[in-house]
Amino acid sequence: KNEVEQSPQNLTAQEGEFITINCSYSVGISALHWLQQHPGGGIVSLFMLSSGKKKHGRLIATINIQEKHSSLHITASHPRDSAVYICAVRSSNGNKLVFGAGTILRVKS
Amino acid sequence: NAGVMQNPRHLVRRRGQEARLRCSPMKGHSHVYWYRQLPEEGLKFMVYLQKENIIDESGMPKERFSAEFPKEGPSILRIQQVVRGDSAAYFCASSANRGEGYGYTFGSGTRLTVV
Repeated sequence: KNEVEQSPQNLTAQEGEFITINCSYSVGISALHWLQQHPGGGIVSLFMLSSGKKKHGRLIATINIQEKHSSLHITASHPRDSAVYICAVRSSNGNKLVFGAGTILRVKS
Repeated sequence: NAGVMQNPRHLVRRRGQEARLRCSPMKGHSHVYWYRQLPEEGLKFMVYLQKENIIDESGMPKERFSAEFPKEGPSILRIQQVVRGDSAAYFCASSANRGEGYGYTFGSGTRLTVV
């Protein structure tokens, strides 16, 4: 079993829909990151969380430390949101990130 | 204020050659991390360096791979005698510190193709 599990693996949505991507982890962490990667592109850090909830524009990220679970929400989705969204946890000693397999999101207009 | 700069963006090497990948961290960042993304696979940690020191190399293959972050200049990931299985995207990230309050900034990656 992977240390970081994401669901779903693939997600297709219509423009305007509310989207949720889930992440569960099984190890101790110092922080959790949500990342975005476009095909053939670089990686953009969206959020870094160690507790609670953060919001940036149409993106919201939450984390429940007790349940070892985080969610990324996209409100009013748009085709430009189409990308791979990756959950990554930072190890307790802070030395490295352990990544989920990613969620491939496609938003259709 | 440039972010993390990686070069080259694309690198083609023949089997047996050496590959050198460079990473210049964000200004003010002294912590550098290298990650590898094999085709159709997720990202995997390779090595974590601070200036002149390797802090954690638990993800580095035992042979042919090495990394450095000298006092002056970029961090270098060096792959000797490349094989087809080394073809991947190599990403560098930097941070100001490794504590939980410090975020990561990623570079655009170097796509290595071994022919």
